[in-house]
Amino acid sequence: LAKTTQPISMDSYEGQEVNITCSHNNIATNDYITWYQQFPSQGPRFIIQGYKTKVTNEVASLFIPADRKSSTLSLPRVSLSDTAVYYCLVGDKGSQGNLIFGKGTKLSVKP
Amino acid sequence: EPEVTQTPSHQVTQMGQEVILRCVPISNHLYFYWYRQILGQKVEFLVSFYNNEISEKSEIFDDQFSVERPDGSNFTLKIRSTKLEDSAMYFCASSVWENTGELFFGEGSRLTVL
Repeated sequence: LAKTTQPISMDSYEGQEVNITCSHNNIATNDYITWYQQFPSQGPRFIIQGYKTKVTNEVASLFIPADRKSSTLSLPRVSLSDTAVYYCLVGDKGSQGNLIFGKGTKLSVKP
Repeated sequence: EPEVTQTPSHQVTQMGQEVILRCVPISNHLYFYWYRQILGQKVEFLVSFYNNEISEKSEIFDDQFSVERPDGSNFTLKIRSTKLEDSAMYFCASSVWENTGELFFGEGSRLTVL
């Protein structure tokens, strides 16, 4: 499974767009990129998944460059309730049940 | 919105005691998982379960651990003889398919071993 590197923490203010970048230099051809969100004392929650280019849903956008060695989770107009830890996971869809979580990025949104 | 439910939310037990953590996965899901998170540390995979048998397990999931789907709705994690280091948040998850990467996690059961 490809190793991922994310910033340990980020600060933002309400209403701003937040971009969290994840590096995965050793990503394999069959690997997908998945992002989860976790609030304190709660289980992780799936946000978005992609393979290449751009994916958008009602919560976020995921940008993946052509070389796929990194990806950026974009949260539009964050609110205080977006304060959480965000995890970037990379793996073959065949192994996606066995999710390997790193330390994630702790996002703090301030008023 | 359907959700994964877990009980108890918090359990305190003495070292050496048996503990059973219960989960009700989302009803049409076929794949079930247990993860744990020691306070301040990463979320760690324990085991995946499909068609009434273990699909995959991690090194953490040793002989002290077992899983069972005793009926059509519950999915349980049993720790036979708890140790202090088993203190953690235990998360149950389920998914429709194995190969989606989209798991639905429960709120967790906090286990404290004294």
